[in-house]
Amino acid sequence: SAVISQKPSRDICQRGTSLTIQCQVDSQVTMMFWYRQQPGQSLTLIATANQGSEATYESGFVIDKFPISRPNLTFSTLTVSNMSPEDSSIYLCSAHQGPTEAFFGQGTRLTVV
Amino acid sequence: GQNIDQPTEMTATEGAIVQINCTYQTSGFNGLFWYQQHAGEAPTFLSYNVLDGLEEKGRFSSFLSRSKGYSYLLLKELQMKDSASYLCAVRDRANTGKLIFGQGTTLQVKP
Repeated sequence: SAVISQKPSRDICQRGTSLTIQCQVDSQVTMMFWYRQQPGQSLTLIATANQGSEATYESGFVIDKFPISRPNLTFSTLTVSNMSPEDSSIYLCSAHQGPTEAFFGQGTRLTVV
Repeated sequence: GQNIDQPTEMTATEGAIVQINCTYQTSGFNGLFWYQQHAGEAPTFLSYNVLDGLEEKGRFSSFLSRSKGYSYLLLKELQMKDSASYLCAVRDRANTGKLIFGQGTTLQVKP
């Protein structure tokens, strides 16, 4: 199974600033995704990180707010831009290795003050 | 639309068996996943079903009926450490790969 390293694990940020979250996988994976998990809730998909091209965003999420990069098959970043307290959440990177397994990084717990 | 339903909370006794149900209505189906998530931690992959029937992995088993849009996760010989949230997720199409998650079931195991 793939091992996914995500950093930072947590951060407290001032409103109006931006935070970039990194996701590193220890092997090449076909697909990478970014999810958000708000307190007490399940996971909501933000976007699919496409290698070498623009990410595919889900309804309600836009590139200006959540720019994503995926320069190769093992690495991706998610930026949370112009943060507000409503962005306080856990952000999770996910990678799929073949059709039968999908793994998560340990998550980034973001608090915006 | 896409809809995945699970019970919000369940309680069971240590050593017992518990079944967590998941029903889904999605535009397509290309596999169903179960994850365990302890408070403050990332989800951990438990199982994957794409064909009808039962998949067994130690104390955990997962069942799928595609015609009924139904799955369950069966936990045997419950231990206190099994107290966690259990997430059901459906992959609606193979080419996108993305998962749609239910709201999760919080299981509390009592002595």
